[in-house]
Amino acid sequence: SQQGEEDPQALSIQEGENATMNCSYKTSINNLQWYRQNSGRGLVHLILIRSNEREKHSGRLRVTLDTSKKSSSLLITASRAADTASYFCATALTDDYKLSFGAGTTVTVRA
Amino acid sequence: DTGVSQDPRHKITKRGQNVTFRCDPISEHNRLYWYRQTLGQGPEFLTYFQNEAQLEKSRLLSDRFSAERPKGSFSTLEIQRTEQGDSAMYLCASSFGLIEETQYFGPGTRLLVL
Repeated sequence: SQQGEEDPQALSIQEGENATMNCSYKTSINNLQWYRQNSGRGLVHLILIRSNEREKHSGRLRVTLDTSKKSSSLLITASRAADTASYFCATALTDDYKLSFGAGTTVTVRA
Repeated sequence: DTGVSQDPRHKITKRGQNVTFRCDPISEHNRLYWYRQTLGQGPEFLTYFQNEAQLEKSRLLSDRFSAERPKGSFSTLEIQRTEQGDSAMYLCASSFGLIEETQYFGPGTRLLVL
């Protein structure tokens, strides 16, 4: 079974707008990672946030983590057409290394 | 290119045939993972290796599936007597274990069983 669950399942925005997607999980984690997947291709790592961190930034990406609510969010600012993809959160449990993925959020950025 | 590579990228086979996929991890990475992804879903963990030792296998990995990582370098995933339900994308990832937790994924092998 999958530990993480993304919300919304799909998101359509205009170029230049911000996109926010959320991830909820069920059990205590060691870290949470966000990945992007373009249609039919492999996953590209975006950000890793550890359980003792609350916020991380990378370029136009901002990730937050609230371990008390067992949730994370990914914000993409000033979206571009190239951001069109599926975004997945993946959790690694304490003392474990395998990742458990949610079903993903499909983001479409309209030009 | 020093990323994770997988071969073949696409495989079409008939039900009942055996298939083998190969994954070459990033050279200094000691952990290697296999995941399976079906349409509209996130990847699901199958198995992982630390160096040449297979440390964990998912219950998804039936007896028809076997994975190896001889000498702790490349890995192979074999599916025997393929079934239509095996149709999926098979993804390989590698990481530097305790030092770096980020898993770097290959492009995947898309399997279609007719």
